[in-house]
Amino acid sequence: DAKTTQPTSMDCAEGRAANLPCNHSTISGNEYVYWYRQIHSQGPQYIIHGLKNNETNEMASLIITEDRKSSTLILPHATLRDTAVYYCIVRVNSNSGYALNFGKGTSLLVTP
Amino acid sequence: GAVVSQHPSRVICKSGTSVKIECRSLDFQATTMFWYRQFPKKSLMLMATSNEGSKATYEQGVEKDKFLINHASLTLSTLTVTSAHPEDSSFYICSASTNTPNTEAFFGQGTRLTVV
Repeated sequence: DAKTTQPTSMDCAEGRAANLPCNHSTISGNEYVYWYRQIHSQGPQYIIHGLKNNETNEMASLIITEDRKSSTLILPHATLRDTAVYYCIVRVNSNSGYALNFGKGTSLLVTP
Repeated sequence: GAVVSQHPSRVICKSGTSVKIECRSLDFQATTMFWYRQFPKKSLMLMATSNEGSKATYEQGVEKDKFLINHASLTLSTLTVTSAHPEDSSFYICSASTNTPNTEAFFGQGTRLTVV
């Protein structure tokens, strides 16, 4: 799986949009971009994933650059409960149940 | 989304004893389950991959005789930490997958193991 690079930490004011960047310059054509988050002392929670088109769901939006070498996760209106470590992971989708390889992620702190 | 239940959420055991952690997929059949370990302020590290009905595949450096994994059914996998040592104290997390392409993996809530 391609390696990802994320900032170590970010701050965001409550109610504002949180934009979390991820670089994956070695991504290959069949690798998807997945985002998970982990709130302290809990298991990771799936947020969103995509291949090349931008994606949106009830939690977030995922913007993938045209060359697919980077992406941005957008939390449109951050709340205090969004404080967590956010992981950007690229992996091949297959029917072999590939494990997710977690990097260090970005620690997002949402402040009042 | 699908639910993966992990039990217990927290356990304290004495050195030398064994502890079993259960991971259940509640509303789907999990062909593959993964076990991770996480030390404080560190990321998740994959320990092993288990496929229903076959032996688990362990990552390099993980002792298979110490961390016994059983995936006897499509909804249950267990991790047994044998002869626990204080250095085994960690946060253990399971994940389940249906092996259907283009789907996400689902995680249990984790088990905090403390060996005293």
